[in-house]
Amino acid sequence: DAGVTQSPTHLIKTRGQHVTLRCSPISGHKSVSWYQQVLGQGPQFIFQYYEKEERGRGNFPDRFSARQFPNYSSELNVNALLLGDSALYLCASSIRGGMGTGELFFGEGSRLTVL
Amino acid sequence: EDKVVQSPLSLVVHEGDTVTLNCSYEVTNFRSLLWYKQEKKAPTFLFMLTSSGIEKKSGRLSSILDKKELFSILNITATQTGDSAIYLCAVLLWRGGGSQGNLIFGKGTKLSVKP
Repeated sequence: DAGVTQSPTHLIKTRGQHVTLRCSPISGHKSVSWYQQVLGQGPQFIFQYYEKEERGRGNFPDRFSARQFPNYSSELNVNALLLGDSALYLCASSIRGGMGTGELFFGEGSRLTVL
Repeated sequence: EDKVVQSPLSLVVHEGDTVTLNCSYEVTNFRSLLWYKQEKKAPTFLFMLTSSGIEKKSGRLSSILDKKELFSILNITATQTGDSAIYLCAVLLWRGGGSQGNLIFGKGTKLSVKP
């Protein structure tokens, strides 16, 4: 079975541009979360979606938005990119939004560099 | 503000050594504490701890939670070079109003095991 897949794996953008990152959860998983991991730091929560509804939002500006599609895949959009948005963006899926099993499965991430 | 603090931030040991990684937390609405191993990009799940004093083991790894003193330790015995990674501690919070829990991560402990 395929794990959590993310695309693209690497991308370079310039300040002011926008970016769309994509995530496909493990088959059967209905919850998707997005995390930002800046070099040398732990991942920081951005969004969680469950059954296509936003169920949680971290402390990120409105330039960050996301959505979940009927097939449970998800997109993270970031507008007006800043240098500080350079990071590894991790997508994670779980069977239920409440993580009853305790397991959150992470994808390999999308490495965004903003110049 | 919710926070998770890990120590040490980095550690260099030799194969065969035993290591103890520390994680302390100050959060509201604690639900569970989780440990992840991050080798390259995707963090992989190790343990979830919800109750105090109950040790969880998986091979050479073990972990325990102290909810009174608000900390957890991760022990690795007979370390191998393949244990070299960043070990992340995260706390899962309860969220009300139908929203789902999200993880608050520490900065991680970078473990290097030398042959």
